[in-house]
Amino acid sequence: QVLLVQSGAEVKKPGASVRLSCKASGYIVTDYHLHWVRQAPGQGLEWMGWISPKSGDTKFAQKFQGRVTMTRDTSISTGYVELSGLRSDDTAVYYCARSAGIEDFLDHWGQGTLVIVSS
Amino acid sequence: SYVLTQPPSVSVAPGETARITCGDNNIGGKIVHWYQQRPGQAPILVIYYDGDRPSGIPERFSGSNSGNTATLTISRVEAGDEADYYCQVWDSSSDLRYVFGTGTKVSVL
Repeated sequence: QVLLVQSGAEVKKPGASVRLSCKASGYIVTDYHLHWVRQAPGQGLEWMGWISPKSGDTKFAQKFQGRVTMTRDTSISTGYVELSGLRSDDTAVYYCARSAGIEDFLDHWGQGTLVIVSS
Repeated sequence: SYVLTQPPSVSVAPGETARITCGDNNIGGKIVHWYQQRPGQAPILVIYYDGDRPSGIPERFSGSNSGNTATLTISRVEAGDEADYYCQVWDSSSDLRYVFGTGTKVSVL
């Protein structure tokens, strides 16, 4: 079955960077885009961007431009998101999710990774 | 920022029908997907392409989309349907591309 398994919780200080991983299994990773979506405590879902595992192409929401990097290592079926210049309002659960195309629905999601930014 | 408008909460008795709306100007011209998020869990897809159900999602879940409103309908509501529900569209004219609704908390009385 399709599984997206994410790395464990992180606690970071303001100004630091965090790198999260998402390991895929049960499907051909290069056939699906990998997205990152975050959810602040008690808030809704916020799309951050996607990466094409096949080409490495990326697309980010403008608010994250310059602070976010998305990469992949297809040899181990793993995608990564790195967010720099962390602020307290980056405290959130970060989810990876896949889509068949750049316009398509998110049909499988990881379990989420909690990132806490606190001094 | 660009978000789709949903009612904050909907309350429904077991066995009744819950209707969750998602509003936007001419949303009927877009394709809408719906996600269910139970407390402490990741979202799961319950409706895609306005009204299609992924395998494993009960027939009680249905969707429609026309004009300025898309609707997720849950028939014969069960206690396990208590969750937050989010609509989502893809919008090429928006920087966000993937736009989510504000979310609706469905409470089963």
